[in-house]
Amino acid sequence: KAGVTQTPRYLIKTRGQQVTLSCSPISGHRSVSWYQQTPGQGLQFLFEYFSETQRNKGNFPGRFSGRQFSNSRSEMNVSTLELGDSALYLCASSQNGGLGDTQYFGPGTRLTVL
Amino acid sequence: DAKTTQPNSMESNEEEPVHLPCNHSTISGTDYIHWYRQLPSQGPEYVIHGLTSNVNNRMASLAIAEDRKSSTLILHRATLRDAAVYYCMNSGGSNYKLTFGKGTLLTVNP
Repeated sequence: KAGVTQTPRYLIKTRGQQVTLSCSPISGHRSVSWYQQTPGQGLQFLFEYFSETQRNKGNFPGRFSGRQFSNSRSEMNVSTLELGDSALYLCASSQNGGLGDTQYFGPGTRLTVL
Repeated sequence: DAKTTQPNSMESNEEEPVHLPCNHSTISGTDYIHWYRQLPSQGPEYVIHGLTSNVNNRMASLAIAEDRKSSTLILHRATLRDAAVYYCMNSGGSNYKLTFGKGTLLTVNP
């Protein structure tokens, strides 16, 4: 099976702009989670989608949003970008998002905000 | 959220066993214990997970304390490719999500 893919791999934006990142989960996986990774804060959970519904949410402002499509592909959007949004954004998929499920991570999208 | 505590860094020699400890004193009865590792410039990679009993797979072994407040990831023979940041975390509670701590940076010496 193909792994989790994320596009684009690298992105440079300026403050105030918005950005959309895409994630294609492993075939058959219905749960997609998003994480932000920065040197200072480490890996932080953003949100999780299951069957096109946001099921769990981390402690991020409303500028961070996402959605999931019927084929389980997911997008996350960040509006009004700030310098502090520069980070590696990781997507992970699992079969059902259950407590014992294994999450498979993509390579990430490196976002730089200037 | 369940919190885990790991040493910041550990060092090992190639071909020797490595024992990576993790404390999760606030773990609840239904929380799983997961271990992931992250190599430079890559997303985290699943290593192993368990609930109550010790677990083995082709990558590693997971030893879980009887009270479940701590666990140890065992790499039986470290290789240079095992050099990575290792994260221990619990999943559970009302919201399923993985809460990552700072992890342990494992250095493997040739």
